[in-house]
Amino acid sequence: DTAVSQTPKYLVTQMGNDKSIKCEQNLGHDTMYWYKQDSKKFLKIMFSYNNKELIINETVPNRFSPKSPDKAHLNLHINSLELGDSAVYFCASSQAGGPRTSYEQYFGPGTRLTVT
Amino acid sequence: GIQVEQSPPDLILQEGANSTLRCNFSDSVNNLQWFHQNPWGQLINLFYIPSGTKQNGRLSATTVATERYSLLYISSSQTTDSGVYFCAVEQGFQKLVFGTGTRLLVSP
Repeated sequence: DTAVSQTPKYLVTQMGNDKSIKCEQNLGHDTMYWYKQDSKKFLKIMFSYNNKELIINETVPNRFSPKSPDKAHLNLHINSLELGDSAVYFCASSQAGGPRTSYEQYFGPGTRLTVT
Repeated sequence: GIQVEQSPPDLILQEGANSTLRCNFSDSVNNLQWFHQNPWGQLINLFYIPSGTKQNGRLSATTVATERYSLLYISSSQTTDSGVYFCAVEQGFQKLVFGTGTRLLVSP
């Protein structure tokens, strides 16, 4: 009965490869997110999708492409991986908010990506 | 953009001690959440608290939105409380901005 799940949990790959991380939520939420946590534990939003539509894109390199096949899934595809992409990537979900309305976000367990 | 600062950055406690963690933010917000990142890396929701006071067992939180700060209280700390505590704020469109965290170590 996991609320927000991610696969894989660990991902080790070489520079230049292309990889994907999958995220699924069973909370019935309309909005999903990707966050990146760097080696200093700093967490920053990358993308958000509301009902399959891109809402936030935080100046992330275009090697990162989120894809939302339906509102319960948000996958992250990364092309031409670089050493600096090594981090923990968290998926999250919430009910849909707006300019003055916000809802609690729930996070997945994270995917630790190591690029060698 | 909004700045979120947490203090102290590091905290070491003996089991059974109480502590207060602080989160200051530089602008008005719609939402404030407290998270605990455990030693296995999981982000656990503690409180959704844009204003007021909430309690959950040994933990409680207070947000004074007009003065732009929030406090997290941990009473009778246990070793399982160890980890990093984050506050995160949101000003619109669900974009959470995280603070730098407080790293807590509770020793037996």
